[in-house]
Amino acid sequence: KAGVTQTPRYLIKTRGQQVTLSCSPISGHRSVSWYQQTPGQGLQFLFEYFSETQRNKGNFPGRFSGRQFSNSRSEMNVSTLELGDSALYLCASSLAPSNEQFFGPGTRLTVL
Amino acid sequence: TQLLEQSPQFLSIQEGENLTVYCNSSSVFSSLQWYRQEPGEGPVLLVTVVTGGEVKKLKRLTFQFGDARKDSSLHITAAQPGDTGLYLCAGALRSAGGTSYGKLTFGQGTILTVHP
Repeated sequence: KAGVTQTPRYLIKTRGQQVTLSCSPISGHRSVSWYQQTPGQGLQFLFEYFSETQRNKGNFPGRFSGRQFSNSRSEMNVSTLELGDSALYLCASSLAPSNEQFFGPGTRLTVL
Repeated sequence: TQLLEQSPQFLSIQEGENLTVYCNSSSVFSSLQWYRQEPGEGPVLLVTVVTGGEVKKLKRLTFQFGDARKDSSLHITAAQPGDTGLYLCAGALRSAGGTSYGKLTFGQGTILTVHP
């Protein structure tokens, strides 16, 4: 069974731009969660989607948004990028509320 | 304030030594997971513990969940250079409704280096 895939793997943007990251969960998994990983803050929860509905949201500004499609694929969007948004963005999928999450390789976003 | 305190932050040991990583909280978790992450990659799930007092073994790795489900430990016996990496504990908090959602709270991580 294929694992979680994330595209793109690397991205370089400039301040003020917006970015969309994509995540394809493991086949059959309906829950997708997003995390931001930085050296200073570690892994922080962004949001979780299940059956196309956002069920949980972390403490991030409204510039961070996401959505989930009927095939369980998910996207997250960051608008008006700031230097501090530079991070590894990780997507994780799980069957449902089991909380056993499987992570993708991440998208490394660099904001210049 | 970090909800999950993980210690130590750094561990540098020689091949063959034993080590223990701790994960502590004042909150009760419905489950706790341990991950290992290598540079440039996503965390890889090692184990999930759900029952207070539970002990799980994965080859040379032993995981324990505290009786009160507030703490956990990872013990590695006879560490090898291949064990080098970032070890992360992550807990799922039990919500007021008694169900857990897909939000994991992570510890800061332990960077383990095993020298040959």
